[in-house]
Amino acid sequence: NAGVTQTPKFQVLKTGQSMTLQCAQDMNHNSMYWYRQDPGMGLRLIYYSASEGTTDKGEVPNGYNVSRLNKREFSLRLESAAPSQTSVYFCATQGWQETQYFGPGTRLLVL
Amino acid sequence: AQRVTQPEKLLSVFKGAPVELKCNYSYSGSPELFWYVQYSRQRLQLLLRHISRESIKGFTADLNKGETSFHLKKPFAQEEDSAMYYCALKDTGRRALTFGSGTRLQVQP
Repeated sequence: NAGVTQTPKFQVLKTGQSMTLQCAQDMNHNSMYWYRQDPGMGLRLIYYSASEGTTDKGEVPNGYNVSRLNKREFSLRLESAAPSQTSVYFCATQGWQETQYFGPGTRLLVL
Repeated sequence: AQRVTQPEKLLSVFKGAPVELKCNYSYSGSPELFWYVQYSRQRLQLLLRHISRESIKGFTADLNKGETSFHLKKPFAQEEDSAMYYCALKDTGRRALTFGSGTRLQVQP
């Protein structure tokens, strides 16, 4: 089992460009999450999805959109990237006893 | 609003020394707290949860509601304990976690 996978691993964008970060899980978990990790700030929740077809805003949703097309996949889209969105992005699922399982992360640099 | 505070960005100790990673929280309800760890080149993973009252890799953490703390402790640090440690609080509203800013533990030989 791959667990939680993310693509791409690394991306460089120019300001104003758009891109979609992909996340997939084979753990059959209902809840999925997108976090961003910035130095000195820990992980902050961008969006989450409690189940297929539902999404909700987290702590820092501005500049992002998400799609939960099916139980396995939860994508994060940046419509017009800004330098402030330079970060490491983590996807996670939530399983037994509220344990969260994380993907390997996507490192994004916006120039 | 709930909040998790980890006051130390870096904690450096020698092998065999005791370790205490501090975590304080603010939450109006009954808290559920976790410690997550990220070793070099590995994914963030659960270390332990307070509700289980478990000891993992020699680490323990006790919830102190009076001091609103959940400090992580180990009596004798090992070099392989070097990692980034995050304290997290369950957000029952969003069914997500609120993370602290993390503490990097360096265990020197």
